[in-house]
Amino acid sequence: DAGVIQSPRHEVTEMGQEVTLRCKPISGHDYLFWYRQTMMRGLELLIYFNNNVPIDDSGMPEDRFSAKMPNASFSTLKIQPSEPRDSAVYFCASRAGSPYEQYFGPGTRLTVT
Amino acid sequence: QKEVEQNSGPLSVPEGAIASLNCTYSDRVSQSFFWYRQYSGKSPELIMSIYSNGDKEDGRFTAQLNKASQYVSLLIRDSQPSDSATYLCAVRIPPISGGSNYKLTFGKGTLLTVNP
Repeated sequence: DAGVIQSPRHEVTEMGQEVTLRCKPISGHDYLFWYRQTMMRGLELLIYFNNNVPIDDSGMPEDRFSAKMPNASFSTLKIQPSEPRDSAVYFCASRAGSPYEQYFGPGTRLTVT
Repeated sequence: QKEVEQNSGPLSVPEGAIASLNCTYSDRVSQSFFWYRQYSGKSPELIMSIYSNGDKEDGRFTAQLNKASQYVSLLIRDSQPSDSATYLCAVRIPPISGGSNYKLTFGKGTLLTVNP
């Protein structure tokens, strides 16, 4: 059974450019989470969805970040415009309603120069 | 006060020894607890979940939960060099304001090194 799929795996972009990260959750999971991981701050929750509806976006750093989930099998995290401080690894995770175990995708390593 | 705290390590143990990883969490009615393993450059991988006080064993791994002391630990028996990784503790903490918006909060992880 396929796990969480993320693309691209690596992204290098210049400051000011738009970046779009993509995620396909595990089939049948109705919760989807976007995390960001840095050495300084660890793993931080940015936003999560339940049944394609955003439930909590309090972790989104600022208006430059937006996330959508148009259907149960696809979500995007967009950064526009990107800044060097956005450089991090972005993980997508999903889980079923119960139990509460979350499963992570391989991550996207974003570098903004 | 940080919600989930772990010793950053590194924790160094010899091969074959027991590695003990600890995690404390803030004084809320936390319900679910998880241990993830993260190899360098890889994503977190779920290795244990525990919901009730006491011990839960899975192969060489044992999770221990003490809600009264707000403490959860992970023991790795017969440690192997392949166990060398960062171990993340995650706690499902209820919202301060009430409601059903539960989230996982992660500690920053403990780096474990198992020396051959």
